[in-house]
Amino acid sequence: EAQVTQNPRYLITVTGKKLTVTCSQNMNHEYMSWYRQDPGLGLRQIYYSMNVEVTDKGDVPEGYKVSRKEKRNFPLILESPSPNQTSLYFCASSLIGQANNYGYTFGSGTRLTVV
Amino acid sequence: AQKVTQAQTEISVVEKEDVTLDCVYETRDTTYYLFWYKQPPSGELVFLIRRNSFDEQNEISGRYSWNFQKSTSSFNFTITASQVVDSAVYFCALSGEGGEYGNKLVFGAGTILRVKS
Repeated sequence: EAQVTQNPRYLITVTGKKLTVTCSQNMNHEYMSWYRQDPGLGLRQIYYSMNVEVTDKGDVPEGYKVSRKEKRNFPLILESPSPNQTSLYFCASSLIGQANNYGYTFGSGTRLTVV
Repeated sequence: AQKVTQAQTEISVVEKEDVTLDCVYETRDTTYYLFWYKQPPSGELVFLIRRNSFDEQNEISGRYSWNFQKSTSSFNFTITASQVVDSAVYFCALSGEGGEYGNKLVFGAGTILRVKS
């Protein structure tokens, strides 16, 4: 089944403790992206990647890192999480240039709470 | 810059009522794509529809219909005879052709729809 898999689904952590949210897709998509969802703000792009070793900042990149060492994986790293990073996170993937024809595939979301 | 505005923060209706969710967008691209997603209480994003800028035909899928009007930069979504299962957050989103935005999908703030029995 074609899908984007995010882990974990739920995570509660403490301020300053490094964490990684994993994202993996099995559709050979070039493009991958991370979004965060906050009430009243919709989904905002954090980082995106056009291909292996090609990443760039989205609209709200502060406090986050990403890497794209393999085509299928695009982990989101919070080196020193803070309470303002408490949010619902989504990973998405698509084919380059084809996203608009075939749409994006989203993961199930990761609900992160930083206390 | 691209922008999507969903002015209705929350809508409450009684079951079987019709309800329209508004979406207004801004873009300088001549080719662009509009989407609607549903987010039920379980949290996942469910794709509902994609429409490209060259296709202004309205679309109907069961109880769902979409009205795309380039003249007013709107892409409104109507649910006919609403049901409790329609209760969710609905997002309108916009994507350009690529270029500086890559494959970026820009979302509106979302509209919470509550359907009461």
